[in-house]
Amino acid sequence: DQQVKQNSPSLSVQEGRISILNCDYTNSMFDYFLWYKKYPAEGPTFLISISSIKDKNEDGRFTVFLNKSAKHLSLHIVPSQPGDSAVYFCAASGFGNEKLTFGTGTRLTIIP
Amino acid sequence: DAGITQSPRYKITETGRQVTLMCHQTWSHSYMFWYRQDLGHGLRLIYYSAAADITDKGEVPDGYVVSRSKTENFPLTLESATRSQTSVYFCASRTGRSTDTQYFGPGTRLTVL
Repeated sequence: DQQVKQNSPSLSVQEGRISILNCDYTNSMFDYFLWYKKYPAEGPTFLISISSIKDKNEDGRFTVFLNKSAKHLSLHIVPSQPGDSAVYFCAASGFGNEKLTFGTGTRLTIIP
Repeated sequence: DAGITQSPRYKITETGRQVTLMCHQTWSHSYMFWYRQDLGHGLRLIYYSAAADITDKGEVPDGYVVSRSKTENFPLTLESATRSQTSVYFCASRTGRSTDTQYFGPGTRLTVL
């Protein structure tokens, strides 16, 4: 049972435009959400996070939005740059939970 | 070097052989994790450890064994490798706080023939 779902395996966006990556979750006990970015032949690296007490968190070009009622989060990248081409994983955990549950990933390709 | 390292980076083995993947971190993080990455499945947790001599199963533990005698090391052993264990394996670590960043190693690509 996939508790964290990324329904788009891939996404292509023109350089300079907005990239929107989506993630849905089913476990209502999740209260902390993260996005990781992964380049080929490297380990995932942390990008941005949000706790359930907020509905938005911003860090430079990256913004994460959380809609708790819809159990949905999204990552916005504005403007998109070629270096943003990577696989993006969303992840979630519950309060006091030791473990992260990851989604299946979305491969983002930025077209120059 | 500081950080989290994995060895080997690439490994080819045969069905039925025992394989050990190594993970070493220099931050003295209390938590360490092993994941496997497969197409269509994302990152799935195999085993994790909250401290030395404390380990627990993740989502897909069958066929794997872990140990953690020292805080900095968390080896993963495939006791009798199967083709379904062909995957990319990532080790990760973090501090004791669940909201602290989890840092990943560079991965080990394992092929079981």
